[in-house]
Amino acid sequence: AQKITQTQPGMFVQEKEAVTLDCTYDTSDPSYGLFWYKQPSSGEMIFLIYQGSYDQQNATEGRYSLNFQKARKSANLVISASQLGDSAMYFCAMSNTGTASKLTFGTGTRLQVTL
Amino acid sequence: NAGVMQNPRHLVRRRGQEARLRCSPMKGHSHVYWYRQLPEEGLKFMVYLQKENIIDESGMPKERFSAEFPKEGPSILRIQQVVRGDSAAYFCASSPRGVSFNYEQYFGPGTRLTVT
Repeated sequence: AQKITQTQPGMFVQEKEAVTLDCTYDTSDPSYGLFWYKQPSSGEMIFLIYQGSYDQQNATEGRYSLNFQKARKSANLVISASQLGDSAMYFCAMSNTGTASKLTFGTGTRLQVTL
Repeated sequence: NAGVMQNPRHLVRRRGQEARLRCSPMKGHSHVYWYRQLPEEGLKFMVYLQKENIIDESGMPKERFSAEFPKEGPSILRIQQVVRGDSAAYFCASSPRGVSFNYEQYFGPGTRLTVT
């Protein structure tokens, strides 16, 4: 069975600082994908970044980067130069070849960016 | 380039009524997923459909819930005889491919169902 664990229910960061949101996963499938989604207060799910299990390099998308440590089964999201608009819920998710690409989500981390 | 469309955005039903939630995938996408998000929780997979086929319904409650994705028209998630515990946000996602682990799913804005 697949499982995603996000141990930080809430995080605070000052504007312009970097922040790391933790995510660990558990799967026995050698092929999997890891995703991060942002959910602002308006409720929509916004895709941020993807990391494949066979990717050699950590994924980056603008101010977002994924710190992928395969041996530790962790896929932490790093947001650099935080902005007020980054305040939102952040969900880590995983898909596997054996589960027809359905996503398994963590419980989320609520990030609050302060002045 | 329209994204995933869901309607209605908000739906209020009284206990015992039926709720019908619609999802139109992105153009060119033939794989649709439905997820449910209870208040203050993450999203939980419900069902995965392709045109005219249910591929995986392992996350669907055994009773009162059904889903379809007809050859023409949107995917429909139907909840019969709604109860207060059905109050949640229901998200639809679509992707261009199904059985692969590395295809991003594009989410719709969700339908917020409130059962009174």
